[in-house]
Amino acid sequence: GAVVSQHPSWVICKSGTSVKIECRSLDFQATTMFWYRQFPKQSLMLMATSNEGSKATYEQGVEKDKFLINHASLTLSTLTVTSAHPEDSSFYICSAKYYNEQFFGPGTRLTVL
Amino acid sequence: AQSVTQPDIHITVSEGASLELRCNYSYGATPYLFWYVQSPGQGLQLLLKYFSGDTLVQGIKGFEAEFKRSQSSFNLRKPSVHWSDAAEYFCAVLDNSGNTPLVFGKGTRLSVIA
Repeated sequence: GAVVSQHPSWVICKSGTSVKIECRSLDFQATTMFWYRQFPKQSLMLMATSNEGSKATYEQGVEKDKFLINHASLTLSTLTVTSAHPEDSSFYICSAKYYNEQFFGPGTRLTVL
Repeated sequence: AQSVTQPDIHITVSEGASLELRCNYSYGATPYLFWYVQSPGQGLQLLLKYFSGDTLVQGIKGFEAEFKRSQSSFNLRKPSVHWSDAAEYFCAVLDNSGNTPLVFGKGTRLSVIA
């Protein structure tokens, strides 16, 4: 149980385009989901906390207009990278909270050309 | 706010040797503690977790960790390392109210040599 999926697993896009990443809790309902970003050989950096039915809470330094987060249902949160640039290339990982744990998706590798 | 320190950035061990990865945390009470492993290009896999009770926790793949309150530590151990254990290991702490997200250490990269 407690499985989290992400789609797509990898995406390549042109600079200036927008990319949407989906995070789904497959067998449980998650009122809270988290989005992390990971640069090569570094740890996970929390970007934002997403609560179902309300606005996301962004960490300091994360541009809310660039990284749009929507948590429209108890099983789905989306991260949209708007007007992507090469510096947005990274590994994005979502996590869904279930009781006292967080369950992680497999991650999405974004490459912006 | 809670924080996690993994003092070793990179550790190399010989296959078959024992392993200990260090983790220290800073938190006012007893937090929930986790160890994750990440292979290159992959997501995180939970190795083990500690919430309460027995301070020696058994996990998957032959790993164990011991919670030591007096030292604010949660070190990960394995008696005999396999080549497939080469990966990045992350220690993480969660506020035991559960209202804040996991806080990760910077990770320790494990290399295994023949």
